Amino acid sequence: DAGVTQSPTHLIKTRGQQVTLRCSPKSGHDTVSWYQQALGQGPQFIFQYYEEEERQRGNFPDRFSGHQFPNYSSELNVNALLLGDSALYLCASSLDREAYEQYFGPGTRLTVT
Amino acid sequence: AQRVTQPEKLLSVFKGAPVELKCNYSYSGSPELFWYVQYSRQRLQLLLRHISRESIKGFTADLNKGETSFHLKKPFAQEEDSAMYYCALKKAAGNKLTFGGGTRVLVKP
Repeated sequence: DAGVTQSPTHLIKTRGQQVTLRCSPKSGHDTVSWYQQALGQGPQFIFQYYEEEERQRGNFPDRFSGHQFPNYSSELNVNALLLGDSALYLCASSLDREAYEQYFGPGTRLTVT
Repeated sequence: AQRVTQPEKLLSVFKGAPVELKCNYSYSGSPELFWYVQYSRQRLQLLLRHISRESIKGFTADLNKGETSFHLKKPFAQEEDSAMYYCALKKAAGNKLTFGGGTRVLVKP
């Protein structure tokens, strides 16, 4: 089991563009959470998906949206990119909504120019 | 809203010396507290959680509800302990994690 995988590893976008990041959870996990980690800061919760629905959401604008597929993989979409969206985006999976341990992926480094 | 504060950005200690990473939180309910660690070129991973009350890699952490703290301690630091450490809080319901800003630990030989 490769654990949580994310793609792409890094990408560069221009202000105003849209981006889609992808995440495959650890085998057997059904819950996916997304975090944004700005340089020098801790990860910040964006939202969580369970049973293909958004269950919890952090303080992020509607420009951030997501999706979970029947195979539990997930996408994070960001529209109208701003310079401030430049960050490392982490995906974490867990067994169910009440699981205490989240398994993190390596992250996708997004740079907005 | 819950908040986690790690006052030290960097802790530099010599091998064999004790190390303590501070973590303070604010939350009105009963939280679950965790320490996550990220070693160089590795992904973020769980180190320990307060509920288990166990020692992992020589590290322990005690939840002090009176002082709303969850400090991480190790009596004798090793070079392999050099890493980024994040304190995190989870509400009893759900599994959204609220992270602190992180503390970089550097253990010098």
